[in-house]
Amino acid sequence: TQLLEQSPQFLSIQEGENLTVYCNSSSVFSSLQWYRQEPGEGPVLLVTVVTGGEVKKLKRLTFQFGDARKDSSLHITAAQPGDTGLYLCAGGETSGSRLTFGEGTQLTVNP
Amino acid sequence: DTEVTQTPKHLVMGMTNKKSLKCEQHMGHRAMYWYKQKAKKPPELMFVYSYEKLSINESVPSRFSPECPNSSLLNLHLHALQPEDSALYLCASSLLPTGELFFGEGSRLTVL
Repeated sequence: TQLLEQSPQFLSIQEGENLTVYCNSSSVFSSLQWYRQEPGEGPVLLVTVVTGGEVKKLKRLTFQFGDARKDSSLHITAAQPGDTGLYLCAGGETSGSRLTFGEGTQLTVNP
Repeated sequence: DTEVTQTPKHLVMGMTNKKSLKCEQHMGHRAMYWYKQKAKKPPELMFVYSYEKLSINESVPSRFSPECPNSSLLNLHLHALQPEDSALYLCASSLLPTGELFFGEGSRLTVL
């Protein structure tokens, strides 16, 4: 099984600040997905990146897949309280059998 | 219809009870999953059904028994559970295995 290390595990910031969440592995993944989960709900897919070096933007969120497809980052600009939640990265294993989840980043944005 | 529907949302059961969790999707997805999630932790994979056949069982205790009656439905039968089995049980589906997951809202299980 391939492993994904996600950092930081917890992040508490003020509204308007910027932040970056990292997802790292020594293994190559076929794709990397980012999910956000709010309390009492299931995770919701934000984005999928599949090409090394790929950058995708979703409003104030910027996602990047490393050139070697071993790491990814999520950058949020001008965070808002509505961004609060558990952010999960998940890598598609090259064997094609399952997704590997990172440990998650619990983000709290204070008004 | 882009939803995965799970019932019940909440379930409280004793250690001798038998209950079932249900999951339904009508997106034509051919892979369906059961995950277990503890508070502020990532989902842990339990079972994967691919084209209605069990393809992955992550060494889950036999007190959890999955069933896939057809391509739209997935059940998880529960029997003789332990208090440590209390968790959020998430169903998900994807068009293909390791594709993008669509999660339901989960069933919050409490075992007394």
